[in-house]
Amino acid sequence: SQTIHQWPATLVQPVGSPLSLECTVEGTSNPNLYWYRQAAGRGLQLLFYSVGIGQISSEVPQNLSASRPQDRQFILSSKKLLLSDSGFYLCAWSRIGTGNQPQHFGDGTRLSIL
Amino acid sequence: DAKTTQPPSMDCAEGRAANLPCNHSTISGNEYVYWYRQIHSQGPQYIIHGLKNNETNEMASLIITEDRKSSTLILPHATLRDTAVYYCIPTTNNAGNMLTFGGGTRLMVKP
Repeated sequence: SQTIHQWPATLVQPVGSPLSLECTVEGTSNPNLYWYRQAAGRGLQLLFYSVGIGQISSEVPQNLSASRPQDRQFILSSKKLLLSDSGFYLCAWSRIGTGNQPQHFGDGTRLSIL
Repeated sequence: DAKTTQPPSMDCAEGRAANLPCNHSTISGNEYVYWYRQIHSQGPQYIIHGLKNNETNEMASLIITEDRKSSTLILPHATLRDTAVYYCIPTTNNAGNMLTFGGGTRLMVKP
């Protein structure tokens, strides 16, 4: 079966510090990968998605970036965090293929910026 | 993506069936109906999806009306662990297509 891992579960960072959140998927090959952010009391916002190694599409301009150095590894980064970067960050994966494929989410990282 | 209407909250007795309705009258022909749930402080969990036929898996059943303007998620024997916010999401769910989570229904399963 497939599993998705995100870490850390919680993170407190000062404004202006760098960020690196990691997501890995096991049990499948060449998945689509996604980074979402959920602000408090609000819905999910798609930040980035990737259909393959080194292929990153950005949905929202911001000071965050994403990378996919390996097939099943997706990393969310920032050089300098802003207060507005606080939120619940979720990684998700889906199969590549014809037809509809559900997205499966990790347990998320709760990021607080001080 | 189509707009959805779900009741903000519902209660269900433990062991009974929970029937969660969703209206999606503006759903387009190529959009599936997806259901997810989110337990507090966890990531959304995929439950089931369908296009026009009723679907069943180990978690739930999905009933879609013939005109596809509404659907019902059925949890046949609700447990306390089914307490969560349930989201109905019409989407094509292709790569790069964002899942839009609306207000959802907060289901409270009571002993």
